Amino acid sequence: GDSVTQMEGPVTLSEEAFLTINCTYTATGYPSLFWYVQYPGEGLQLLLKATKADDKGSNKGFEATYRKETTSFHLEKGSVQVSDSAVYFCALRGNSGNTPLVFGKGTRLSVIA
Amino acid sequence: EAGVAQSPRYKIIEKRQSVAFWCNPISGHATLYWYQQILGQGPKLLIQFQNNGVVDDSQLPKDRFSAERLKGVDSTLKIQPAKLEDSAVYLCASSSQGGGTEAFFGQGTRLTVV
Repeated sequence: GDSVTQMEGPVTLSEEAFLTINCTYTATGYPSLFWYVQYPGEGLQLLLKATKADDKGSNKGFEATYRKETTSFHLEKGSVQVSDSAVYFCALRGNSGNTPLVFGKGTRLSVIA
Repeated sequence: EAGVAQSPRYKIIEKRQSVAFWCNPISGHATLYWYQQILGQGPKLLIQFQNNGVVDDSQLPKDRFSAERLKGVDSTLKIQPAKLEDSAVYLCASSSQGGGTEAFFGQGTRLTVV
């Protein structure tokens, strides 16, 4: 079945550091890919998405490019802030029928001033 | 636009007791999901509804978990009897149809079974 693998955490960075969280997937066909973020005490929020190969999703300074050849969707941000501290989840959704989101295990990011 | 509403936010019960969670999805969203998120893990799908019909309940422990979505709007997830390993956050989400569309999540119900 479909699956998502993302880098193990926790990740601790200093403010203004560069962030990369790796995500690779296994799926049949051409799924849509998502990054969700979960801030402390809150629910999951969509951060960005890409629905076809070579699409780049971006939001709040975060970016991720849908790479079909490497089945990857790595999350990047050039300069992290303390407010970016959260758990980040990579997810996919198949495009055939009404399929649910399949999530990775999540990566906890802590940004220190 | 109102988001996905869930209640209660927190619940503590003893093992072997029963518990129910309620979810009201975003208006007009035909698809509703219940996910279980155990501490340190990603959300795992329990059940998916399309309107008031079940699309996927393959990972729902049917000997103790049940869910319904009457009239294709609100949904209730029940656990009876609860076990210690059911301690988790239960997330409700909804989406409109289409593979590329995202799901919108409620804040979740944190269940602690003691």
